[in-house]
Amino acid sequence: DIVMTQSPDSLAVSLGDRATINCKSSQSILYMSNNKNYLAWYQKKPGQPPRLLIYSASIRESGVPDRFSGSGSGADFTLTISRLQAEDVAVYYCQQYYIVPRTFGQGTKVEIK
Amino acid sequence: QVQLQQWGTGLLKPSETLSLTCAVSGGTFTDSHWSWIRQPPGKGLEWVGETDHRGDTNYNPSLERRLTVSVDTSKNQFSLKLTSVTAADAAVYFCAREMGSFDHWGQGTLVTVSS
Repeated sequence: DIVMTQSPDSLAVSLGDRATINCKSSQSILYMSNNKNYLAWYQKKPGQPPRLLIYSASIRESGVPDRFSGSGSGADFTLTISRLQAEDVAVYYCQQYYIVPRTFGQGTKVEIK
Repeated sequence: QVQLQQWGTGLLKPSETLSLTCAVSGGTFTDSHWSWIRQPPGKGLEWVGETDHRGDTNYNPSLERRLTVSVDTSKNQFSLKLTSVTAADAAVYFCAREMGSFDHWGQGTLVTVSS
């Protein structure tokens, strides 16, 4: 199985400031034949299903605000929230879809400082 | 617009069988994989298993012995059965469409296991 490890486990950021979440996979999830990273980011709020934010490591899902961005390749990835808003308080998960079983990071809780 | 609506047994006793179904509307049922994902209370997300429209499945190895994911293409539905549940299977279970990533989700079903 590919192990996904996120850091930090939690962070507190002031409104309007930047939040950065890291995700490391235990092996490369870059598919060489199409040069795509099989990495997604989700936002999870209590009582709601997860919401897809980013796929292929850096492509924003339709309707996702542009303050959310993803970067990285191979085995190291980052989700950045450029200007934190109150509605961004949530737990964020990375997930690999390179192989089965699909695996998620342990989650990073983002709060307002 | 793709929508997933799920239902099933919410309260089980240990050793009973969990059954959930997810109905898909909108989109093309045959173009995607269809997954189950769960979140135990206070914990993270765990992928359970998936099927495609032909019934080809993949399961989480930790659940494979007890798990069946099936599909009914005539109804655009897929289902989960997990036998011999224990307290460790208590979670919110979500169905989801997989297009690589999981882009559409059901509302979630809280499953409680208690004697």
